[in-house]
Amino acid sequence: GAGVSQSPSNKVTEKGKDVELRCDPISGHTALYWYRQSLGQGLEFLIYFQGNSAPDKSGLPSDRFSAERTGGSVSTLTIQRTQQEDSAVYLCASSYDSYEQYFGPGTRLTVT
Amino acid sequence: ELKVEQNPLFLSMQEGKNYTIYCNYSTTSDRLYWYRQDPGKSLESLFVLLSNGAVKQEGRLMASLDTKARLSTLHITAAVHDLSATYFCASGRGADGLTFGKGTHLIIQP
Repeated sequence: GAGVSQSPSNKVTEKGKDVELRCDPISGHTALYWYRQSLGQGLEFLIYFQGNSAPDKSGLPSDRFSAERTGGSVSTLTIQRTQQEDSAVYLCASSYDSYEQYFGPGTRLTVT
Repeated sequence: ELKVEQNPLFLSMQEGKNYTIYCNYSTTSDRLYWYRQDPGKSLESLFVLLSNGAVKQEGRLMASLDTKARLSTLHITAAVHDLSATYFCASGRGADGLTFGKGTHLIIQP
């Protein structure tokens, strides 16, 4: 079946611009996760959604980051006023029962 | 705060040899995950270990979990070039997400 999909696969943006990253989880998976992978920080957990419940945003690196999940399915991670330190690969994962997480291909974000 | 440490972080080995990657985690956790990542690719799930003494094997890879020692190992038997990749261990569950180790960059040379 279809796996987790993310778009765009690559995004180059100028410092100060806003970007939106999209994640389509595996159908039927209620849990959705966002992670960030960078050379300096490794893999970092950002935020978790369970169904339609409000997420715990404490893992987001700054208030420029926000995320939402519509209808318990598609999720969007928004970064406002991007900075160069936001350059990273943003990975989305989904899970049926919070047991095993399946990762998408990621969005490589480059802030120039 | 959960911390996960892997070692070694870099490993170069010859085909046919055996080796072990170690993963220590700092707080009690009943789940330990191993992932593989190829360059420019996403994370591929290898093993999920759920209980003390759990052992899982897939081909030339075998993972084990000792919850009392807070240690998991990934053992590679008779390595082949195709196993060259970066291997991550991770722990955690639910709303806390996964905490990953820094990864072990494995190069297997002919």
